Amino acid sequence: KAGVTQTPRYLIKTRGQQVTLSCSPISGHRSVSWYQQTPGQGLQFLFEYFSETQRNKGNFPGRFSGRQFSNSRSEMNVSTLELGDSALYLCASSLAGTQAGDTQYFGPGTRLTVL
Amino acid sequence: GNSVTQMEGPVTLSEEAFLTINCTYTATGYPSLFWYVQYPGEGLQLLLKATKADDKGSNKGFEATYRKETTSFHLEKGSVQVSDSAVYFCALSRPGNTPLVFGKGTRLSVIA
Repeated sequence: KAGVTQTPRYLIKTRGQQVTLSCSPISGHRSVSWYQQTPGQGLQFLFEYFSETQRNKGNFPGRFSGRQFSNSRSEMNVSTLELGDSALYLCASSLAGTQAGDTQYFGPGTRLTVL
Repeated sequence: GNSVTQMEGPVTLSEEAFLTINCTYTATGYPSLFWYVQYPGEGLQLLLKATKADDKGSNKGFEATYRKETTSFHLEKGSVQVSDSAVYFCALSRPGNTPLVFGKGTRLSVIA
């Protein structure tokens, strides 16, 4: 079974731009969660989508948004990029998601650098 | 609230040494507990998990036992290899629409 895939793997943007990251979950998984990983803050939860609905949201500003499509693929968007948004963005999929305490499987991440 | 505390790294060991990475947690109820590993330049891989007290998770020679009385889930391996060099994350998950909570990670370096 194919794992979680994320595209692109690397991105370089400048301040003020916006960016869209994509995540394809494991086949059959309906939950997709996004995490931001930085050296200073560690792994922080952004949001979770389940069956196209946002089910949970972390403590991030409204510049961070996401959506999920009917095939469970998910996109994450960051508008008006700031230098502090430079991070590894990880996507994780699971069958039933955080409500069930389900095991989450992670993709390789997208490394975003904001200049 | 829910939290995970891991021992600070980095940890440097010689090949074939015994490894312990301490992890303790704070959570109400009965969380599931996980160890994830992150190799350089990669995402997180599930290493092992345990879903109830006294469960032992094991994989690739690594083991961890869910100890409710001490709220701990320490990771152990009897003989580490250079290929085990990575960052290890302890995490918990509580049912009820709460996301994974991670520790800050412990970097392990194994030298030949």
